[in-house]
Amino acid sequence: AQSVAQPEDQVNVAEGNPLTVKCTYSVSGNPYLFWYVQYPNRGLQFLLKYITGDNLVKGSYGFEAEFNKSQTSFHLKKPSALVSDSALYFCAVRDQGGGSYIPTFGRGTSLIVHP
Amino acid sequence: DTAVSQTPKYLVTQMGNDKSIKCEQNLGHDTMYWYKQDSKKFLKIMFSYNNKELIINETVPNRFSPKSPDKAHLNLHINSLELGDSAVYFCASSLGTNSPLHFGNGTRLTVT
Repeated sequence: AQSVAQPEDQVNVAEGNPLTVKCTYSVSGNPYLFWYVQYPNRGLQFLLKYITGDNLVKGSYGFEAEFNKSQTSFHLKKPSALVSDSALYFCAVRDQGGGSYIPTFGRGTSLIVHP
Repeated sequence: DTAVSQTPKYLVTQMGNDKSIKCEQNLGHDTMYWYKQDSKKFLKIMFSYNNKELIINETVPNRFSPKSPDKAHLNLHINSLELGDSAVYFCASSLGTNSPLHFGNGTRLTVT
């Protein structure tokens, strides 16, 4: 079985400061990991993914994520937050060794960037 | 040039009615999905369709049924609507099963 947890419902950060949105996962095999962003009244937009290879993955809008196998984590990061980054962020996982190809999404973390 | 388009954007209807939501993707993807997002923003997979194989989330009531006339379309039909069906429904597609999902902008269903 595959599962993903986003332990924070909300993250607050001041504009210009670094931000981190946390994600941990559980799979029986190796994971495919994804981050998505959702703006109000819109669908989810893909930010970045980890399949294999380099543990630091760079994505859209200056976001990056670090895959840590020992901690089963895939935290989303950005060195300098913008007010326009305020949105809902979802982590998703798919088990490479699992029977289902359908990704499981976390419950989402609301990121609020204060001016 | 909308990649994944859903219609209608808003749907308000009464309990007991039957309604459909249409989804079309012009990305050439071979896998399509329906997700339900509740008021707490939790995303729950309802169906997935890949190479004519339909995968159904067993927790979804059989009042919900997907229909795929071709690879570019996966419509959602709902019978005997209930108050608890009120939510935002998202269609998505992907190329293969390891690629990111591309989402439509959702259909907000309100059952009164």
